[in-house]
Amino acid sequence: DAKTTQPTSMDCAEGRAANLPCNHSTISGNEYVYWYRQIHSQGPQYIIHGLKNNETNEMASLIITEDRKSSTLILPHATLRDTAVYYCIVNSGGSNYKLTFGKGTLLTVNP
Amino acid sequence: ETGVTQTPRHLVMGMTNKKSLKCEQHLGHNAMYWYKQSAKKPLELMFVYNFKEQTENNSVPSRFSPECPNSSHLFLHLHTLQPEDSALYLCASSQSKAGGGRNEQFFGPGTRLTVL
Repeated sequence: DAKTTQPTSMDCAEGRAANLPCNHSTISGNEYVYWYRQIHSQGPQYIIHGLKNNETNEMASLIITEDRKSSTLILPHATLRDTAVYYCIVNSGGSNYKLTFGKGTLLTVNP
Repeated sequence: ETGVTQTPRHLVMGMTNKKSLKCEQHLGHNAMYWYKQSAKKPLELMFVYNFKEQTENNSVPSRFSPECPNSSHLFLHLHTLQPEDSALYLCASSQSKAGGGRNEQFFGPGTRLTVL
């Protein structure tokens, strides 16, 4: 699976959009971009995934660049409960069901 | 609630004890996983089971012994652990062959293990 690079930490004001970047320059054509988050001392939680089109669900939006070498997770209106470590993971999905978690980005939402 | 439960939530054990961690999923998934998360470290995949068969052992010491009696239950048997094994142990499940890249893993709340 391709390696990802994320900033160690980010801050965001409550109510504002949080934009979390991820670089995955070695991504292969059949690999998806997944985002998970982990609130302190809880299990990780799936957020969203995409291949090449932008995706949106009730939690977030995922913007993938045309060359697929980077992506951005957008939380449109961050709340204090969104404070967590956010993981960007590249995986081919399907039968390759191993997820390799890096260090992620600690997002702190401030009041 | 994610549909994945783990018991106990907290466990303190001595190095000579034998204990077991239990995981149960109510999602009809076929794949189950054990992860370890030590303080200030990324999650480390330990074991993967697919349709009750172990398909991955990520060089885990033999003092950790997994058991998967059926697709809904996963155990991690612990014996003669070391203090450095103290960590959050997380169980997860997923569909083993999801189509369309849907490879969502559902995690339990974890067991916080302390080895004295």
